[in-house]
Amino acid sequence: GAVVSQHPSRVICKSGTSVKIECRSLDFQATTMFWYRQFPKQSLMLMATSNEGSKATYEQGVEKDKFLINHASLTLSTLTVTSAHPEDSSFYICSATDGYYNSPLHFGNGTRLTVT
Amino acid sequence: DAKTTQPNSMESNEEEPVHLPCNHSTISGTDYIHWYRQLPSQGPEYVIHGLTSNVNNRMASLAIAEDRKSSTLILHRATLRDAAVYYCILREDNAGNMLTFGGGTRLMVKP
Repeated sequence: GAVVSQHPSRVICKSGTSVKIECRSLDFQATTMFWYRQFPKQSLMLMATSNEGSKATYEQGVEKDKFLINHASLTLSTLTVTSAHPEDSSFYICSATDGYYNSPLHFGNGTRLTVT
Repeated sequence: DAKTTQPNSMESNEEEPVHLPCNHSTISGTDYIHWYRQLPSQGPEYVIHGLTSNVNNRMASLAIAEDRKSSTLILHRATLRDAAVYYCILREDNAGNMLTFGGGTRLMVKP
């Protein structure tokens, strides 16, 4: 089946630094990728939607200058958490689709970010 | 947004069938019903999806009510590895293909 690879799986960084998370679709062309954030014991919350070659669309309340999303190719999207703070500590998950709404979404295994 | 309602949690015994319900009374005619599950510290995993007819795959079966206002995910023989949070989601064709996650059902499987 379709595979989405997310890297790194776990990262610890110091407050004020930036962290980049990569999301790759390994065996299909991902026209659209989604970034979610999940806090403990809560459901996934959509942060932004990115289409290849265009600017990401951010959900209300998500700072676009803090969470930089780049979707430069049909197989790669990156999320950069800039000037990270402890409250940014969370589980970040990407998902990808081939663009057909009757297709399933495929998810990465998530990145556990801890900001100290 | 089309919303879904699921019980917060359910319990099952190992080797027994499990029926996970989902209500989606505001579903529109072109919305697909998707089910995903999430194990601890992992990303969601696709389980099954359908539009109108019941669907079967190697993981589960999806029974869709005739009026499409509810559906049931059926695990035929629960195993300990099936313990997860199960999300029932409507995929709308006019919402940028995104999935909006509700609270899901936490399935606990007892040996």
